[in-house]
Amino acid sequence: QSVLTQPPSAPGTPGQRVTISCSGSSSNIGSNPVNWYQQLPGTAPKLLIYSNNQRPSGVPDRFSGSKSGTSASLAISGLQSEDEADYYCAAWDDSLNGVVFGGGTKLTVL
Amino acid sequence: EVQLVQSGAEVKKPGESLKISCKGSGYSFTSYWIGWVRQMPGKGLEWMGIIYPGDSDTRYSPSFQGQVTMSADKSISTAYLQWSSLKASDTAMYYCAKQGVSGYELDYWGQGTLVTVSS
Repeated sequence: QSVLTQPPSAPGTPGQRVTISCSGSSSNIGSNPVNWYQQLPGTAPKLLIYSNNQRPSGVPDRFSGSKSGTSASLAISGLQSEDEADYYCAAWDDSLNGVVFGGGTKLTVL
Repeated sequence: EVQLVQSGAEVKKPGESLKISCKGSGYSFTSYWIGWVRQMPGKGLEWMGIIYPGDSDTRYSPSFQGQVTMSADKSISTAYLQWSSLKASDTAMYYCAKQGVSGYELDYWGQGTLVTVSS
């Protein structure tokens, strides 16, 4: 059972906008920045969003992040087949004194 | 260009010891924390802990404290993850990653080292 809660799957069609949620608590999301990672099949994870809503260089602006209270969201607009991947949220947890990950959401582009 | 290059896949027997490596280049290796992340087969990501190569300060996840040892040799820009006695449940992909400066984000990742423990 992961400390951060994500839906296990999220379907979408090309061109659509999809949102993936990440729910936590006051000790993690509620008091620390949220980061999002994309893991394409068979590859290492890649940083997608950091500090709630910042995109590293090279990440398309189709990807955006937001945070409110103890929840965060990743939005992907103009969905493309190459976006099919697992997406993970993560944040520092003050109680556990470590980083906690969500269980991951498998995005399927139908 | 920032790169983290990990050592190759390992196949070990239960009870054996193992040390895997992660060599950084393209940045000041001693100035950024290195994190280790486990991914068991078909499962999600688990944060194991971090090490600061500049002074080898180490923070372990409670789940991995006492189970693994993190170390670093700053003279060769390499971080290590080691086990003294492997178990079948240690079978997983292990990633090292460089921590950024904003909020514990892992901004550059190694390619992963697959560790298989089987009798």
